[in-house]
Amino acid sequence: KAGVTQTPRYLIKTRGQQVTLSCSPISGHRSVSWYQQTPGQGLQFLFEYFSETQRNKGNFPGRFSGRQFSNSRSEMNVSTLELGDSALYLCASSQDTYEQYFGPGTRLTVT
Amino acid sequence: EDQVTQSPEALRLQEGESSSLNCSYTVSGLRGLFWYRQDPGKGPEFLFTLYSAGEEKEKERLKATLTKKESFLHITAPKPEDSATYLCAAHAGNMLTFGGGTRLMVKP
Repeated sequence: KAGVTQTPRYLIKTRGQQVTLSCSPISGHRSVSWYQQTPGQGLQFLFEYFSETQRNKGNFPGRFSGRQFSNSRSEMNVSTLELGDSALYLCASSQDTYEQYFGPGTRLTVT
Repeated sequence: EDQVTQSPEALRLQEGESSSLNCSYTVSGLRGLFWYRQDPGKGPEFLFTLYSAGEEKEKERLKATLTKKESFLHITAPKPEDSATYLCAAHAGNMLTFGGGTRLMVKP
């Protein structure tokens, strides 16, 4: 079975721009979660989608949003980028057990 | 508020020197405790799920155990390739809360 894939792997953006990241889950997995990982804050939960509905949301500002498509693929969007948004963004998929399998991540650098 | 704390933050071992990593949790209604391994620049790799106090799981040189307040990841006779950051996460409600991780370095 193919693992979780994320695109792009690396991204450099300028403050004020917006960015869209993509995640393709493991086949058959209907839940997709997004996390932000930084050296100072560790892994922080952004949101989770299950069958195209946002099931849970972390404590991030409204600039962070996401969606899930009928084939379970998911995207997250960050608008009006700030320097502090520089991080590794991780996507994880699972069946309905919360045993999550992570992708390789997208490294976002905001300059 | 759910909290997960891992200790130590960093651990240096000589090859063959066994040790344990700690994961303390304070959550309402634990539904599962997960352990992951993360190598630099990569996503976390799933290791174990523990569901109830007293449960143990093993994989090669790793053994995870669970009590009502904490989980331990025991590493027996580690090798340099075991060097990584080990993360634990508690499942409560509809989300996982991760600890800060323990960075393990095993020297030959």
